Amino acid sequence: AQKVTQAQTEISVVEKEDVTLDCVYETRDTTYYLFWYKQPPSGELVFLIRRNSFDEQNEISGRYSWNFQKSTSSFNFTITASQVVDSAVYFCALSDSSNTGKLIFGQGTTLQVKP
Amino acid sequence: DAMVIQNPRYQVTQFGKPVTLSCSQTLNHNVMYWYQQKSSQAPKLLFHYYDKDFNNEADTPDNFQSRRPNTSFCFLDIRSPGLGDAAMYLCATSRVKGSSYEQYFGPGTRLTVT
Repeated sequence: AQKVTQAQTEISVVEKEDVTLDCVYETRDTTYYLFWYKQPPSGELVFLIRRNSFDEQNEISGRYSWNFQKSTSSFNFTITASQVVDSAVYFCALSDSSNTGKLIFGQGTTLQVKP
Repeated sequence: DAMVIQNPRYQVTQFGKPVTLSCSQTLNHNVMYWYQQKSSQAPKLLFHYYDKDFNNEADTPDNFQSRRPNTSFCFLDIRSPGLGDAAMYLCATSRVKGSSYEQYFGPGTRLTVT
């Protein structure tokens, strides 16, 4: 069965701190895709990154970085020098085996960045 | 700007009174999805359209229906809303059907059932 686990329900940091959001997944597929989405208080989910199972290279985009490790089935997300605008719910998601585009979401991690 | 638009942003309906939520997109994407998201939970896929091909999730209640009259618009109809249907409803689009394509979400419609 496919599953995504985000063990951290809520994280609170002070601005400028670094923070890592954990994501662990389960799948029997050899080809799969992992995603991170951000859901600010306004409600819409904002796409952050897609990673396929054959590309374990870590990625950096500004203050955001992602660490994909197949050996531990993890796809962690780090925000460097956090800002108040980073406050949101962050969802990690796994592509469903059906190749319909269906996403298996984790339960989400609520990040609060305090000034 | 190309985007996914949902109207209204907030909808209040009475128990048992049919309600329709709308979604439009200017991305010209082939796939449109409807998700239900209850408080503090992850989004749950209800169904999706690939062009005019409708795909219902196995556990989506019969109370929920959808229409896609053209590429740009998709509607979610709730025939007899119950209190348990109060949630945020998110519309999303994807350029092509498939696991590798990211989805673009609208701002959602928050439905309240009184």
